[in-house]
Amino acid sequence: GENVEQHPSTLSVQEGDSAVIKCTYSDSASNYFPWYKQELGKRPQLIIDIRSNVGEKKDQRIAVTLNKTAKHFSLHITETQPEDSAVYFCAASKGDTGRRALTFGSGTRLQVQP
Amino acid sequence: GAGVSQTPSNKVTEKGKYVELRCDPISGHTALYWYRQSLGQGPEFLIYFQGTGAADDSGLPNDRFFAVRPEGSVSTLKIQRTERGDSAVYLCASSLNGQETQYFGPGTRLLVL
Repeated sequence: GENVEQHPSTLSVQEGDSAVIKCTYSDSASNYFPWYKQELGKRPQLIIDIRSNVGEKKDQRIAVTLNKTAKHFSLHITETQPEDSAVYFCAASKGDTGRRALTFGSGTRLQVQP
Repeated sequence: GAGVSQTPSNKVTEKGKYVELRCDPISGHTALYWYRQSLGQGPEFLIYFQGTGAADDSGLPNDRFFAVRPEGSVSTLKIQRTERGDSAVYLCASSLNGQETQYFGPGTRLLVL
C-alpha cells in the first residue's frame, strides 16, 4: 500500500520567515495530494491540495509543489505569522482512479516565533 | 452550512466494554470516511462508505470494529470488547460524490481505562 514520509517533524521559524515541509510517497498511482492544518484539539482543516496533472499551486501565502518523477511534494508558507503555528499533515490518495482513502504523513509541528 | 459533526466529543469506557461513535456528514455528501488518530501521529484510515455500502473496509484493525451507514447519511462506528490500545481520537470525514476533498469532523476522543 501507499506510504507517506514527512519531514521535518518539528520546525521553528521567526515571524516573517518562510517555512517548507516536505513529503515523499511510494505509490506512483497516487494522484491527489492535500495538506491539512490541525491546531491543538481541533479538526484537520484542508489548506491546499494539488492533483498530479499540475506541478505547482499557490493560494496567497501558501504554495504546494509536486514532482511526480521523484514522488515528492512540498508545502511552502511565506511571510509566516504566529497564527500559522499548528501541526501540518500531508496526505496522498488515488482519488477517482482507485483507493480514495487518504494516507497521511506523520505531521510537522510548526512554531512561528513572534 | 453546517460542517461534519461527531458525538460524543469525549468517551471514557472500561476495558471490555462496547462503544458507539456517531458521525453526521455534511448534507448531500455521499462519501463518508472514518479515521483514527493516535497522539502525535497522522490520521489512519479505517473505512470508507459510498452511500449505504462500505466501499473499502481494509483499514479496520480487526473484527472488533464495525461501522454502518444504513440510510446513507449518519454513520456509526462500533467497537466491541474495547482494549486500552483503542484509545485515540476517531475522526470522521465526508466528501461530495466525485470530489476528492474530504472535510473532517472534530473527532471523538476515546479513552479506554
